[in-house]
Amino acid sequence: AQSVSQHNHHVILSEAASLELGCNYSYGGTVNLFWYVQYPGQHLQLLLKYFSGDPLVKGIKGFEAEFIKSKFSFNLRKPSVQWSDTAEYFCASRSGGFKTIFGAGTRLFVKA
Amino acid sequence: DAGVIQSPRHEVTEMGQEVTLRCKPISGHDYLFWYRQTMMRGLELLIYFNNNVPIDDSGMPEDRFSAKMPNASFSTLKIQPSEPRDSAVYFCASSFGTGSYEQYFGPGTRLTVT
Repeated sequence: AQSVSQHNHHVILSEAASLELGCNYSYGGTVNLFWYVQYPGQHLQLLLKYFSGDPLVKGIKGFEAEFIKSKFSFNLRKPSVQWSDTAEYFCASRSGGFKTIFGAGTRLFVKA
Repeated sequence: DAGVIQSPRHEVTEMGQEVTLRCKPISGHDYLFWYRQTMMRGLELLIYFNNNVPIDDSGMPEDRFSAKMPNASFSTLKIQPSEPRDSAVYFCASSFGTGSYEQYFGPGTRLTVT
């Protein structure tokens, strides 16, 4: 069965530190990958997505993710985090049909 | 567009009571999803609809849960009878069937069953 695993459940960083959140998916065929963000008290919203083409995807707010097919990974990165990036981040995959599977989420806390 | 609308935003009820959660998807979207979010299990897909027809309800925990979509602009998720372990945030999301497959989430309903 399709699954998504996120390596870190909680991450604490200081402002200006670099961020990398790990994500691995299980499906070996054609897959669409997403990162969603949920700010405190708000609903999930899309950060970025990968469908095909350039494996380095740029999203909103300075986030980017790299699709590495050989590693079944889609890690999220940001060179310098801000306090306002404090949120929960969800990796998700869709492979065929319309069912999207979400990872367990990573809670990021950025210290000012 | 107002986005996906959910009501109520908060619901507190006693064990054994019936609970109905409501969702209005974004106009023109033909897919609708119901998710449940808990600390222990993360974000789980309960059921999704395409053109008002349930496509996959394999995530519905048990017979106490039911979902309907009587028309393109309204869906309900009902729990009868409710139990304390149903306490969670329930999200509704909608999507347009071709293109980016991005899902647009509502603000969620925080359900507490005492």
